[in-house]
Amino acid sequence: EAQVTQNPRYLITVTGKKLTVTCSQNMNHEYMSWYRQDPGLGLRQIYYSMNVEVTDKGDVPEGYKVSRKEKRNFPLILESPSPNQTSLYFCASSPGGPATQYFGPGTRLTVL
Amino acid sequence: ELKVEQNPLFLSMQEGKNYTIYCNYSTTSDRLYWYRQDPGKSLESLFVLLSNGAVKQEGRLMASLDTKARLSTLHITAAVHDLSATYFCAGRNYGGSQGNLIFGKGTKLSVKP
Repeated sequence: EAQVTQNPRYLITVTGKKLTVTCSQNMNHEYMSWYRQDPGLGLRQIYYSMNVEVTDKGDVPEGYKVSRKEKRNFPLILESPSPNQTSLYFCASSPGGPATQYFGPGTRLTVL
Repeated sequence: ELKVEQNPLFLSMQEGKNYTIYCNYSTTSDRLYWYRQDPGKSLESLFVLLSNGAVKQEGRLMASLDTKARLSTLHITAAVHDLSATYFCAGRNYGGSQGNLIFGKGTKLSVKP
């Protein structure tokens, strides 16, 4: 089944404790992207990748890192999480550029 | 920098009625996207509009793009309860980085019997 998977789905952590949210797609898509969704703010793009080893900042990249070492995986790294990174995070992929995107199920992160 | 504004942000409709969601954007955008999010769920892509005058339709939803007016619309025909969801539009910065998407805040649609 074609899908985008994210892990973990739920995470409660404390300020400063490094964490990684994984994202994997099995559709051989070139484009992958991370978004955060906050009430009243809609979706905001964090980082995206047009292809392997090509990543670029979205609108809210501060406090996040990404890597794209292989086509299928696009992990989101929070080196030192802070409470303002408490949010719902979505990973998405599409065949080329941000066209018809396929979204993962979301990761709800709480930073205490 | 591209800004995307949707209105209304909340919309309560009766079944069987028609309505339109508007998506205005501030600078040139070479393409416009529409997404749907059911309550408590992830997002799904609805439409990709690539050029001025583009119109896409699926079921009771029809999206259009007017690049001169910097406006996209999502028209709902004879609404049914299953269409209750939050709808987002997003634009891509023309001339900017190809992968950068800017989203509107979303329109929460509630269709009542």
